[in-house]
Amino acid sequence: DSGVTQTPKHLITATGQRVTLRCSPRSGDLSVYWYQQSLDQGLQFLIQYYNGEERAKGNILERFSAQQFPDLHSELNLSSLELGDSALYFCASSVDGRSDEQFFGPGTRLTVL
Amino acid sequence: DQQVKQNSPSLSVQEGRISILNCDYTNSMFDYFLWYKKYPAEGPTFLISISSIKDKNEDGRFTVFLNKSAKHLSLHIVPSQPGDSAVYFCAATLYNNNDMRFGAGTRLTVKP
Repeated sequence: DSGVTQTPKHLITATGQRVTLRCSPRSGDLSVYWYQQSLDQGLQFLIQYYNGEERAKGNILERFSAQQFPDLHSELNLSSLELGDSALYFCASSVDGRSDEQFFGPGTRLTVL
Repeated sequence: DQQVKQNSPSLSVQEGRISILNCDYTNSMFDYFLWYKKYPAEGPTFLISISSIKDKNEDGRFTVFLNKSAKHLSLHIVPSQPGDSAVYFCAATLYNNNDMRFGAGTRLTVKP
């Protein structure tokens, strides 16, 4: 158990819909990262927040957005969903933003029908 | 744009033997490399890392080798154990740049 929690575990929705994925980092961690893992792709870095502020942006689509709240939990919002958005979405956290000290949550499996 | 590639989707090894997982990258600016291990229904777990100023880093049964001229790194597990069976992801980044690029993963099966 990494200490990072993600809800929900599974999400099934239809094209065109909007969903919100939630992540609670490990206690004391200030940084949250979001990743997408599609079927035959590696983990794709989407975005990072550090203490409420956006720190780094990766391959995140304009239809996707995220935020980190004062209590440090984070939400990833996915809108106008397409079939290709079906994937595992991982959240990770770290104390100070160093890449090798990221602790991953169990992921949310999103299925878009 | 797959900057980090793991060309072997799977690898099967006998318990006690060496497992060698390979990873290639295209961006010569990467200067920090990591391996993560992932069990089913869990998130990836950090395993071992190496800076570009080194060509080898060892941690117990795990050794990572870096060949910068070939833009290639490998993870050696000796001896392999059934509990090592998992998906292994190679990742690369510019140190302190958190846009980490992952490979597609290699599924390792260690047979008893």
